[in-house]
Amino acid sequence: DVKVTQSSRYLVKRTGEKVFLECVQDMDHENMFWYRQDPGLGLRLIYFSYDVKMKEKGDIPEGYSVSREKKERFSLILESASTNQTSMYLCASSLFSRGQDTQYFGPGTRLTVL
Amino acid sequence: KNEVEQSPQNLTAQEGEFITINCSYSVGISALHWLQQHPGGGIVSLFMLSSGKKKHGRLIATINIQEKHSSLHITASHPRDSAVYICAVSYTGTASKLTFGTGTRLQVTL
Repeated sequence: DVKVTQSSRYLVKRTGEKVFLECVQDMDHENMFWYRQDPGLGLRLIYFSYDVKMKEKGDIPEGYSVSREKKERFSLILESASTNQTSMYLCASSLFSRGQDTQYFGPGTRLTVL
Repeated sequence: KNEVEQSPQNLTAQEGEFITINCSYSVGISALHWLQQHPGGGIVSLFMLSSGKKKHGRLIATINIQEKHSSLHITASHPRDSAVYICAVSYTGTASKLTFGTGTRLQVTL
């Protein structure tokens, strides 16, 4: 059974803190994604990675960075958290293929920045 | 303006009703996805289709490429179908990246 796990379900941080969100997949997938989900805006892509140490900006990368040192792990970093980064963060992975990919999602991390 | 539009935004139905959720998009795509999100956050992929029709249990997804439109149907709806249903598309040349609609919140009552 495919599995994508995220390090925390709920997280509360203070403005200015450095925040790490971790995602691990056990499916040997090439692609991994970080999204944020906000009411009325849907899911928006922050960053994605198509291979170890490879990354590409999504639609809203400002204020975020990522790290992929191992194939199974993709980390999202908020260098200096701000209140407008309060959101639900979802990680996903997909198997690279020439055709269309199904994405498998983690359970999400609800981050509150005070 | 979102490139992927869903309607309705909210839908309430009684158990047993036939439900239709619509999705339209603006430019050519390589695939369209329907996803389900239950309260608590987890998202599950229901269908991925690039033409025609797919069926899984009580769920049916159709797509009309010429009209740039897809529908998700639920037959004999049940309260456990209550969830947010999300349409997403992948564009030609960017097969792995998805653009999402804002979702349709479905509530099925007894």
